Amino acid sequence: DVKVTQSSRYLVKRTGEKVFLECVQDMDHENMFWYRQDPGLGLRLIYFSYDVKMKEKGDIPEGYSVSREKKERFSLILESASTNQTSMYLCASSPSTPIRQYGYTFGSGTRLTVV
Amino acid sequence: AQSVTQPDIHITVSEGASLELRCNYSYGATPYLFWYVQSPGQGLQLLLKYFSGDTLVQGIKGFEAEFKRSQSSFNLRKPSVHWSDAAEYFCAVGVRDGNNRKLIWGLGTSLAVNP
Repeated sequence: DVKVTQSSRYLVKRTGEKVFLECVQDMDHENMFWYRQDPGLGLRLIYFSYDVKMKEKGDIPEGYSVSREKKERFSLILESASTNQTSMYLCASSPSTPIRQYGYTFGSGTRLTVV
Repeated sequence: AQSVTQPDIHITVSEGASLELRCNYSYGATPYLFWYVQSPGQGLQLLLKYFSGDTLVQGIKGFEAEFKRSQSSFNLRKPSVHWSDAAEYFCAVGVRDGNNRKLIWGLGTSLAVNP
């Protein structure tokens, strides 16, 4: 069964810590995305990548960075975690072929709490 | 501007009743339209999609949606709701972003099902 795997379901980190959220997909997808989800705000795009070593800022990139050294792995980095980054983080991937690009496969999410 | 509006933040229905979730979009070109479902604590799963052709599309779990171009709508329906349908439902439109494509999301509708 094809899937997107996020390494942690729940994380608790301290303010100021550097936090790594890992996402791995086994579908050979070119496109990968990081979203955060907050009540009443829906899904907000943080960063995305259309190819290895490529990255593009989404709608709310401040306070985050990403790394994509291999096609299957897309990491989200919180350089210095803050309490306002407490959220559910969702990773998704999609193929690059036209129209099929819209068929996102999501991971189960990582619920991050920064204390 | 490209946008998706889900007018109902929260809906409660009784088990066995019919369901309609509303979705309106704003996009200048031919829209590719999607409904995703998110069960509690999980990632998002694709329910159905519309690319072209028949404006009534069938999806998984007994859901269907109808595209109405004149109303810029893509409403999701189910004739008889089951308790397991309680979840968050997201409508999305696929848009061109330069040479790439991405999804624009609605804020979601939370569905509760009374026994």
